[in-house]
Order: sequence, then C-alpha cells, then structure tokens
Amino acid sequence: QKEVEQNSGPLSVPEGAIASLNCTYSDRGSQSFFWYRQYSGKSPELIMFIYSNGDKEDGRFTAQLNKASQYVSLLIRDSQPSDSATYLCPGGGYQKVTFGTGTKLQVIP
Amino acid sequence: KAGVTQTPRYLIKTRGQQVTLSCSPISGHRSVSWYQQTPGQGLQFLFEYFSETQRNKGNFPGRFSGRQFSNSRSEMNVSTLELGDSALYLCASRMDGNYGYTFGSGTRLTVV
Repeated sequence: QKEVEQNSGPLSVPEGAIASLNCTYSDRGSQSFFWYRQYSGKSPELIMFIYSNGDKEDGRFTAQLNKASQYVSLLIRDSQPSDSATYLCPGGGYQKVTFGTGTKLQVIP
Repeated sequence: KAGVTQTPRYLIKTRGQQVTLSCSPISGHRSVSWYQQTPGQGLQFLFEYFSETQRNKGNFPGRFSGRQFSNSRSEMNVSTLELGDSALYLCASRMDGNYGYTFGSGTRLTVV
C-alpha cells in the first residue's frame, strides 16, 4: 500500500485560475504535512507545512488539512506560469520521509 | 545561512566502479536523508541518518551505503556501479522531528 496518494497529473490550468492539488495518507499517525515544489532541473523546495486541521494561508497558497479523512490539499489562487512545476506531498513518517512522483502542474498563459 | 552543499555536482563513472558522494547539511541540522531521483521513479528514499546512526533505510541493494560523521556531514557510497544507477542523488537536511527538509542541489551521476 502506498503511503501517500496524489492526484495524477499532469494538471493544466489557465493563468489566473485556481489550481487544486490533493494528497491522501494511509498513515493515521502522521502529525505534520508538507508541500514541496520542484521546478524542472532543480531540487525540491519546501513551500508549505501544516500541523492543525483547517486552512493555512501564505500569499496565493492555501494548505487544507483534514486529519480525520487523512487528506491534505494545496490550493494555488491566481495561478501564474511561474507556478508550473511538480508538487510533492511526502508521507511515510518523520524518520522515513517518502515522496511519490508528485503532480505536475502546468499553468497555461 | 549556508544551504545544503553536495559535492561533486556531476560525476561520470564506468560500470563496476564505486563512487562516494558528499553532503554537508545546514548548520544545526542533525538529520540527513538521501534520495535517488530518476525520471520515471520520482524521489526514492535511500536512507536517513541522525547523530551518526542510520535510522531508516529504503529498498535499495546493499551496494548502496552511507554514513554520517560527528559534524553531521554525510557520505553515500555506491559500489559496483550499474547503468541503472545513473540518476540525480539528492541530500536533504532538517532539524530532528517533524520539520521540513532543505534539499541540496544534488549530484548528477552518469554510469557508462
């Protein structure tokens, strides 16, 4: 069983739209949740983290967590071409952080 | 604040050789993890070190090994290289606990 499932991509959205990226977890013990962004040819970078149920906003980015449903999402408002990247939400517990292949987002100008 | 430093950036090796990659974490970060990234497989977990101890290991053959030194710097070694070992190897560091990672720029290994 995969530790984390992300919505399959690639996801294409027009510039200015809301992009919605989703992850579900199998590990009920997960305490914190992260989103990373990886541009082509670059390393992943941490863009959001959330520990508590509910929403956390940072600029155009909003992370939403529902621990009961083991579901975390990332919303990108007013999507820009510069948001085109692969987005990763890791799972596996804090000593063995595993990443899937992520969801590739393409923002069309 | 210096980031995670990986050396070398690029390597070309021949099948059967061995290679050692180095990672210097951010100062104060004692947890270091290594990942292999290939186009089709995404980021694959290799191992995680904390205070010179390997706490977890991924599903890689024994040819892949690592270690961590008292200053938290880490190395990984791949022996008897195979063509399939060609990949980007990423090192990431963080404070211990449920914190996010900071990744290095990676070492691009090509096995010919």
